[in-house]
Amino acid sequence: ETGVTQTPRHLVMGMTNKKSLKCEQHLGHNAMYWYKQSAKKPLELMFVYNFKEQTENNSVPSRFSPECPNSSHLFLHLHTLQPEDSALYLCASSGGSPGQGDTQYFGPGTRLTVL
Amino acid sequence: GIQVEQSPPDLILQEGANSTLRCNFSDSVNNLQWFHQNPWGQLINLFYIPSGTKQNGRLSATTVATERYSLLYISSSQTTDSGVYFCAVENYGQNFVFGPGTRLSVLP
Repeated sequence: ETGVTQTPRHLVMGMTNKKSLKCEQHLGHNAMYWYKQSAKKPLELMFVYNFKEQTENNSVPSRFSPECPNSSHLFLHLHTLQPEDSALYLCASSGGSPGQGDTQYFGPGTRLTVL
Repeated sequence: GIQVEQSPPDLILQEGANSTLRCNFSDSVNNLQWFHQNPWGQLINLFYIPSGTKQNGRLSATTVATERYSLLYISSSQTTDSGVYFCAVENYGQNFVFGPGTRLSVLP
């Protein structure tokens, strides 16, 4: 599926680095999501945006900072991360508002390693 | 919040065998999706099925919403079916919640 793209696909960073993950959806959707998938754990919702407005912050540490400049783009800015933040970060989008039962479509993910 | 369970946690099959994966959820839902996560991490939509039965090739799914479970059937399994299968549900106005997944290995 190419409706949702993510860059980079792989990222290795030190604990003092600042980096950003990018997500772009080409589906005309209004809602976008960041999920975290750690080894041997279910996917965890991090942030939800609906029409560019953040509607959910699922108790995510402030070293993760999301940005949604428009309905097609979503960023996750990373700074002073910890090794336990190493995970697969997945972006998704849906046509309807969150909680309305619409299908979510996922990007390929960014595999992040924090040294 | 809503709880999602999946069984079995792990499944090993010989190529050509059939299998049934189960998803139980603790409350009524307005969205239920089945995903296949391939070895590279990509989550591939299999079915959007908050109720009823759907079929797509060798895969089919049934959700019995009143009894709060869904089943994913894989027939004539192939090695490319290997990966992790996730069920995810959405309760009205709430966020999407994923189950822990079933890891499927299909051996040649």
